Amino acid sequence: QVQLVQSGAEVKKPGASVKVSCKASGYTFTSYGISWVRQAPGQGLEWMGWISAYNGNTNYAQKLQGRVTMTTDTSTSTAYMELRSLRSDDTAVYYCARGGVLSGSYWFDPWGQGTLVTVSS
Amino acid sequence: EIVLTQSPGTLSLSPGERATLSCRASQSVSSSYLAWYQQKPGQAPRLLIYGASSRATGIPDRFSGSGSGTDFTLTISRLEPEDFAVYYCQQYGSSPNTFGGGTKVEIK
Repeated sequence: QVQLVQSGAEVKKPGASVKVSCKASGYTFTSYGISWVRQAPGQGLEWMGWISAYNGNTNYAQKLQGRVTMTTDTSTSTAYMELRSLRSDDTAVYYCARGGVLSGSYWFDPWGQGTLVTVSS
Repeated sequence: EIVLTQSPGTLSLSPGERATLSCRASQSVSSSYLAWYQQKPGQAPRLLIYGASSRATGIPDRFSGSGSGTDFTLTISRLEPEDFAVYYCQQYGSSPNTFGGGTKVEIK
């Protein structure tokens, strides 16, 4: 079955970086893209950006430009999201989700199980 | 960016009742690129509807989506106990993708 499995929870200090992985299985990785969505505690969903697993094209949310980098490793069918200069308001559950291959204009299905990133001094 | 406003914020209903959830966009959603997701506590969201009205694989037919332009609706014809959750709409026709604030369907 189509599945996305994410890396485990992280605790980081303000100013540090975090890199979350998302390993895909059950489908041809390069035929889709991966979007990243985060959810702060008790809050709604926030789209962070998208990467094509076919050609590596990316589209990031404007508010995260300069702090976020999304990459893929097609040899292992794994997507990565790195967020730098972490602040306390980056504390959230981070989800990866399968999306479109040529653009971010696609629905998200399925989703990874989520990775809790806690930023605290 | 397109702002999605969901109403009501909370819907209190009993099992067997009909639920009608609204999602209104600040501007027209191109090509009806609107999706609905269900999220239960401690779980990742699950796709229910895409393209405004197409049910995702494995989704029961008591879930239906409708609408176009700026007004969209998710209807649950008869609530089952497992349907009590938070529901989000998402537009993916314009960048950035945006989500509504969610509607919580709770047991009355």
